Amino acid sequence: QSVLTQPPSASGTPGQRVTISCSGGSSNIGSDVVNWHQQFPGTAPKVLIYNNNQRPSGVPDRFSASKSGTSASLAISGLQSEDEADYYCAAWDGSLNGWVFGGGTKLTVL
Amino acid sequence: QVQLQQSGPGLVKPSQTLSLTCAISGDSVSSNSAAWNWIRQSPSRGLEWLGRTYYRSKWYQAYAVSVRGRITINPDTSKNQFSLQLNSVTPEDTAVYYCARGPGVLKYWGQGTLVTVSS
Repeated sequence: QSVLTQPPSASGTPGQRVTISCSGGSSNIGSDVVNWHQQFPGTAPKVLIYNNNQRPSGVPDRFSASKSGTSASLAISGLQSEDEADYYCAAWDGSLNGWVFGGGTKLTVL
Repeated sequence: QVQLQQSGPGLVKPSQTLSLTCAISGDSVSSNSAAWNWIRQSPSRGLEWLGRTYYRSKWYQAYAVSVRGRITINPDTSKNQFSLQLNSVTPEDTAVYYCARGPGVLKYWGQGTLVTVSS
């Protein structure tokens, strides 16, 4: 059971906008930044969003994120087939004194 | 550009010790602004943070409650790397193990090592 809660799956057609939610608590999302990671099969997670809503260089502006209270969300607009991957939210937990993750959301592009 | 290169065996027998190493290039294990983490991923447990080591005038380690008492993460300044040792492993410790650089964001990850615990 992951500390952060995400829907196990999401889907959309090319060009659509999809959102993925991430729910936590006061000791993690409620008190620290949220990062989002994208993972393709057989590879390590890659940072997609950091500091709640910042994109590393090279990440398309189709990817955006926000945080409010103890929840966060990732939005992907103009969905493309290459966006099909697993997406994870992550945050530092001050009570556990460690990183906590969501269970991951498998995005399918129909 | 920071790169992390993992090494270590992919098969460990039950009750024995899992040992992995993460070699760092493009940064220093002794950096005052970095934290060096071990994370594992399995279908049953998802992504699970195991612990970290970092240097802030002296060395610190912090470990997840789930593995505390069985885990040691050590820096090796002579080789610019850090290691993971997990004792008394069981089949439940079977996972892909990653090293990653923090803090604030786990921006750089190793390539991952599938470790299977089996006799």
